[in-house]
Amino acid sequence: VMTQTPLSLSVTPGQPASISCKSSQSLLHSDGNTYLHWYLQKPGQSPQLLIYEVSSRFSGVPDRFSGSGSGTDFTLKISRVEAEDVGVYYCMEGLHLPLTFGGGTKVEIK
Amino acid sequence: EVQLVESGGGLVQPGGSLRLSCAASGFTFSSHWMYWVRQAPGKGLVWVSRINLDGTGTTYADSVKGRFTISRDNAKNTLYLQMNSLRAEDTALYYCARDRNWNALDLWGQGTLVTVSS
Repeated sequence: VMTQTPLSLSVTPGQPASISCKSSQSLLHSDGNTYLHWYLQKPGQSPQLLIYEVSSRFSGVPDRFSGSGSGTDFTLKISRVEAEDVGVYYCMEGLHLPLTFGGGTKVEIK
Repeated sequence: EVQLVESGGGLVQPGGSLRLSCAASGFTFSSHWMYWVRQAPGKGLVWVSRINLDGTGTTYADSVKGRFTISRDNAKNTLYLQMNSLRAEDTALYYCARDRNWNALDLWGQGTLVTVSS
């Protein structure tokens, strides 16, 4: 089970935002990597990969996005929220089957 | 252009069948595991199924096991999802997605809508 908090977030442009994701089991693989990924689904669009393996930004993702964490506790941070960051953020564990997404965190602009 | 384009969705009665297709272009399709993920109206993302490179290995969510079959044709660069014994709870937008590594899905289609209703 992947538990995301908060369910929603209203942020003033330029301010930081933080989303928590907790897994019911460790996502650390014996190869030393941790398979936790973050996606953003902008309004009316398909999901897009933001962060893979906890902290690696996918190609083209701005550096205001960062991921951290280990084991079962993870965080996605946006250093300075911009209008284009609105949407629903999902964490997803990539280690165990069934592959499981968190419930999502909706980010909107104040 | 690197893209995935789903098709085949529509309105079907409970107990009916549909086959979804996902046409890949702009990349080496046979080099990627492929996935189906669905999203019920107003709800979150739910993984449905995945298939390995040559189609010999498949896995399914419990909710669709025994009813859905994922397959691929690497010569046609196409992913499929055969859906049988459809239920109202299968109503969703179905996305196909490409795996970059360890279930990090780096390319998604636009989705195709499946509605199961009488």
